[in-house]
Amino acid sequence: LAKTTQPISMDSYEGQEVNITCSHNNIATNDYITWYQQFPSQGPRFIIQGYKTKVTNEVASLFIPADRKSSTLSLPRVSLSDTAVYYCLVPSGAGSYQLTFGKGTKLSVIP
Amino acid sequence: GAVVSQHPSWVICKSGTSVKIECRSLDFQATTMFWYRQFPKQSLMLMATSNEGSKATYEQGVEKDKFLINHASLTLSTLTVTSAHPEDSSFYICSAREGRFVDHTAQHFGDGTRLSIL
Repeated sequence: LAKTTQPISMDSYEGQEVNITCSHNNIATNDYITWYQQFPSQGPRFIIQGYKTKVTNEVASLFIPADRKSSTLSLPRVSLSDTAVYYCLVPSGAGSYQLTFGKGTKLSVIP
Repeated sequence: GAVVSQHPSWVICKSGTSVKIECRSLDFQATTMFWYRQFPKQSLMLMATSNEGSKATYEQGVEKDKFLINHASLTLSTLTVTSAHPEDSSFYICSAREGRFVDHTAQHFGDGTRLSIL
């Protein structure tokens, strides 16, 4: 079973900031949180990874509260090309490198 | 950096034939590679985990004699679908993990192989 819960779908207009929140109530002490983006008929693409507080790169920010039971992926000023499925992932088990994919969040950007 | 190449990207073959899919890490050494299967409008399902030089570990319900995995080097893993049938038609995706980052579980994914069995 997936260890994360996230909304099935979200809609946003172009140019808006999009925040996708993921719950991972049973995250282990050493687990990192990783977000991927997937377009149809392509493999998932790594977006961002974090352990606590805030991480920012050229495409997104990741906010992780102190209890680490959730995380929020923030996409600034989305465009039509950001329409994709976004997956939030934590390792499948203690010391495991396996990732169990949940259903992800289907983001639709509207012109 | 961290590029994973998967080949072929698309294959169509007759029922009963075997199909081999290659997964290569181009600019890093992958101590662990993973194979996933994805059906239309569904999420990725992990099929097996392979470590270089050892036998693959298959997930429950995945037939190891049907899906042969070889991880002979730190940059190459292959998945062979033996005696493929129409129900094996799916999108197969590999990923690789860089061994030197022990605290990071980020996997780098290939672009997938669309397998269609007629």
